Amino acid sequence: EAQVTQNPRYLITVTGKKLTVTCSQNMNHEYMSWYRQDPGLGLRQIYYSMNVEVTDKGDVPEGYKVSRKEKRNFPLILESPSPNQTSLYFCASSSGAKSQFFGPGTRLTVL
Amino acid sequence: DQQVKQNSPSLSVQEGRISILNCDYTNSMFDYFLWYKKYPAEGPTFLISISSIKDKNEDGRFTVFLNKSAKHLSLHIVPSQPGDSAVYFCAASFRTSYDKVIFGPGTSLSVIP
Repeated sequence: EAQVTQNPRYLITVTGKKLTVTCSQNMNHEYMSWYRQDPGLGLRQIYYSMNVEVTDKGDVPEGYKVSRKEKRNFPLILESPSPNQTSLYFCASSSGAKSQFFGPGTRLTVL
Repeated sequence: DQQVKQNSPSLSVQEGRISILNCDYTNSMFDYFLWYKKYPAEGPTFLISISSIKDKNEDGRFTVFLNKSAKHLSLHIVPSQPGDSAVYFCAASFRTSYDKVIFGPGTSLSVIP
């Protein structure tokens, strides 16, 4: 089954404690992205990757890091989380065929 | 400043009637537009798209209309069904960079049986 998986699905953490949200796709897609969804703001792109070792900033990259060492994985790293990073996060992938497949989401709360 | 706007946060429609969801954009360089549907506790799923060279695209009960001069697009759902109740996101991208996608804030559609 074609899918994008994210882990964990839910996470409560404290300010400053480094965390990683994993994302993996099994469709051999070149493109992967991370988004955050906040009320009234829709989905905002954090980072995207066009292929292995190729990443670029989206609209809201501050406070986040990504890496793309393998085609299937695109982890999102928060080195020092802050409460304003409390949000619902989505990973997505595509083959460049214009529409994206999204993961189920990770709800992050930073206290 | 939001480049993609959905000015109606919510919409209620009777089952069997037409649902019309609207979207406006400000950047004339956008040349590809998409609609995604999102149920609670799930990720968005692709619904329908339209290229800027077209003014209409139809897929079953879903039709998207594009008015480039007005920088406006709309999604029509006919007939509306209770299972269509979800949040609908309008999104726009550029031909030269499909991976750079701008989403609107979403419209929550409720279809009343």
